[in-house]
Amino acid sequence: NAGVTQTPKFQVLKTGQSMTLQCAQDMNHEYMSWYRQDPGMGLRLIHYSVGAGITDQGEVPNGYNVSRSTTEDFPLRLLSAAPSQTSVYFCASSYSIVDGTQYFGPGTRLLVL
Amino acid sequence: AQTVTQSQPEMSVQEAETVTLSCTYDTSENNYYLFWYKQPPSRQMILVIRQEAYKQQNATENRFSVNFQKAAKSFSLKISDSQLGDTAMYFCAFMKQGDGGATNKLIFGTGTLLAVQP
Repeated sequence: NAGVTQTPKFQVLKTGQSMTLQCAQDMNHEYMSWYRQDPGMGLRLIHYSVGAGITDQGEVPNGYNVSRSTTEDFPLRLLSAAPSQTSVYFCASSYSIVDGTQYFGPGTRLLVL
Repeated sequence: AQTVTQSQPEMSVQEAETVTLSCTYDTSENNYYLFWYKQPPSRQMILVIRQEAYKQQNATENRFSVNFQKAAKSFSLKISDSQLGDTAMYFCAFMKQGDGGATNKLIFGTGTLLAVQP
């Protein structure tokens, strides 16, 4: 199993550009989430999905869109990048509703100029 | 709303010594999970230990153990026999339990940077 994979590892964008951060997992996990990590603020939940076709907003959803057409993939779209979206983005997945253990991808570092 | 507080931004410990990282949280929920995650310089988030709120017994994983005080809303992590590889940022996290089980939505503290000195 590759686990949770994220692409790209690093990206530079100009203000106003759009892009999609890719996330995939091969563990047949129902739950997938996106978090952003900013210095001094820990990780914050952006969007999450409890299964294919079902998504919902987290703590900081503004400026981001998600969709979940398959169990494996959960892309995060930035519609019009802003410098405030400079961050490290983590995708996570989970199988169990019993213990809530989440498995994280390696992260994508995004710089918006 | 739930909050998680880690009051120690940085800590240092000598190799082979024991160190305790503090975490407090605020919630009105009765059923929830608490986690400690480790983030080494590689940036990978690694689960260290998990505690279910309904369990009175403190969780242990090899050199890692927790002191869970539900009434005080405290969840500290003890690392015994510290090793150089323990150098990392450590995050405390809270997860509410819903009607169907774990909600899988984590709320993180701001982290404690632990340096293990040789």
